Amino acid sequence: SYVLTQPPSVSVAPGQTARITCGGNNIGSKSVHWYQQKPGQAPVLVVYDDSDRPSGIPERFSGSNSGNTATLTISRVEAGDEADYYCQVWDSSSDHPGWVFGGGTKLTVL
Amino acid sequence: EVQLVESGGGLVQPGGSLRLSCAASGFTFSSYWMSWVRQAPGKGLEWVANIKQDGSEKYYVDSVKGRFTISRDNAKNSLYLQMNSLRAEDTAVYYCARGGHGSGSPSVLWGQGTLVTVSS
Repeated sequence: SYVLTQPPSVSVAPGQTARITCGGNNIGSKSVHWYQQKPGQAPVLVVYDDSDRPSGIPERFSGSNSGNTATLTISRVEAGDEADYYCQVWDSSSDHPGWVFGGGTKLTVL
Repeated sequence: EVQLVESGGGLVQPGGSLRLSCAASGFTFSSYWMSWVRQAPGKGLEWVANIKQDGSEKYYVDSVKGRFTISRDNAKNSLYLQMNSLRAEDTAVYYCARGGHGSGSPSVLWGQGTLVTVSS
């Protein structure tokens, strides 16, 4: 089955740029979605189809995807961005298609 | 208001059964793929199952195949998850999520989740 690999944690100072990676075999050929989840809350979609933002999501959130790595970039990080972030793809390559989530990355704002 | 509201969670013994429900409102339920996603305590998100608009396609994570059944009633704007032969490792918050018009569309709308605890 398809595996997505994320770093367990990323730390960044306020105002700086955070980059969260999501690794997968030829992930560049798939559409990657990113979710933000704060403690006790449901996930919120922040980037979809590699680099598009849902309405209401600040422009500070952006995404890219190429080769074996997709990246969520958060510019001018704020304290309120501290959360867990998950990447997601639809794996249709096997005879058991389904959603795959990365293990999640905890973003800490120093 | 556009929302999803889950219900049916609770404490169940290993080997037992539980049926989760998700009530949709504020949008045309029959137009969207729907999913169940779970999160074990302190762990990450895990997709469980999803179902096409008309129920003709259903997909499951391997760990629940043969034990869980996803279904929907478009007339009642409701999504269900029948869970049988429950195991301790099924303990999690279960979220209902709305997909898009295609199977690969992301989930913009999520419910608040319902906790399932499998323990003796």
